[in-house]
Parts: sequence; C-alpha cells; structure tokens
Amino acid sequence: EAGVVQSPRYKIIEKKQPVAFWCNPISGHNTLYWYRQNLGQGPELLIRYENEEAVDDSQLPKDRFSAERLKGVDSTLKIQPAELGDSAVYLCASSPGAQGNTGELFFGEGSRLTVL
Amino acid sequence: DAKTTQPNSMESNEEEPVHLPCNHSTISGTDYIHWYRQLPSQGPEYVIHGLTSNVNNRMASLAIAEDRKSSTLILHRATLRDAAVYYCILRPWNSNSGYALNFGKGTSLLVTP
Repeated sequence: EAGVVQSPRYKIIEKKQPVAFWCNPISGHNTLYWYRQNLGQGPELLIRYENEEAVDDSQLPKDRFSAERLKGVDSTLKIQPAELGDSAVYLCASSPGAQGNTGELFFGEGSRLTVL
Repeated sequence: DAKTTQPNSMESNEEEPVHLPCNHSTISGTDYIHWYRQLPSQGPEYVIHGLTSNVNNRMASLAIAEDRKSSTLILHRATLRDAAVYYCILRPWNSNSGYALNFGKGTSLLVTP
C-alpha cells in the first residue's frame, strides 16, 4: 500500500516569491493534516481537513498561507508571499475515518522549504 | 490538552536496551499515551500506544505507571537505525475521527556502536 506522498521534497526560493506543496494521502483516509516543523522543534499543526472541509485552521497564518483539498483527496498548501521565517519542513499526514481509527497518523516524508 | 515532559536527549550503546521516559502528571483518565519517532529527514512514524496496561509490539514495549502519570518506551535491543527523535503524546479517547496530535520537542536518541 502506498504511503502519503508529498512533493516537492526540496524547494529553494527567494523571499516574496510564492510556493506550493502537494500532498496525496493514503487511499481511503478521510482526514488530512498539514504540519510545519521548524529546525529542532516538533511538528506543529497548520490545518486539518475532514474530507473537503477544513475543520481546524486556527494555526494557519491566513494572511499568506492558504490550503485546499478539492474532492476530499489531494491537498495543496500555498504560501504567498514567502518570508524568511517560513523556512521549515512542511509535513502532510492522513488518518482513517472514525471507523477503524486507532489514532495513528501516517506522515509523508515532508517538503523542505528554504527561503533566501 | 495535558502536557508531556521528556528529556531532551539520551544516549545508548548498540544492542543494549533503551528506556525512554515520559512524564504526564496532568493526564486525564481517558487519555491514550502515544509514541511516535522521527528518523532523520523523515516524517514521524507511529511506534506504539496504550491506555492503562503495558503494551508490546514488534517495534517496542510501552510500560505505563500504575497512576498513569508517567510511561516508558522500551527498545529491547537498540540498533543504529533506532537513532531518532522520540515523541510522547497524549490523545483523548473520545476525540473525533481526526484528532491532531500535539508534538513537543521529544527526546533525541543517539545510538553508538
């Protein structure tokens, strides 16, 4: 079974440029999460989707960050414009719906963003 | 959410057992204890979870104190591939289908040959 797939793995941009990250969750997983991980820190939640609906986006900096999950499958996280402080690893995770959910989250390998 | 406290780092010799502690003195009676680990340049991966009883799986064992205010992740024979950051996380049992785990800084485990 394929795991959570993210792209790109690495991205280097100059500040004020836009950037987008893509995530394909595990097939059948209703819940999708975007986390941000700064160097030396644990991952921090940015947004959580239940199917197409963003049910928790309280930590998403809405002035420059946006996310979408069309058709309740793939998701895209966008930053526009990027700032130096956005340099981090952006992790996508998914989990099954209520039935069969043991609380396990399945993570992708992450997208490492460097803003110059 | 109840918080967990872990040592910043630990070191172990290869092929020896490793005991990774976690304190969660404010744990609720219905919180599950989850452990994840993150290998270098990888996303976190699930290791084990439990509620009250000790748990074993192919990766590790989880020992939970009787008062549930602390727990210990046990790697029975550490290998170089076990070098990672280990996160101890509490998850409410009655959380809805998509509970977002709250990661702390975790414990960075160094395994030496």
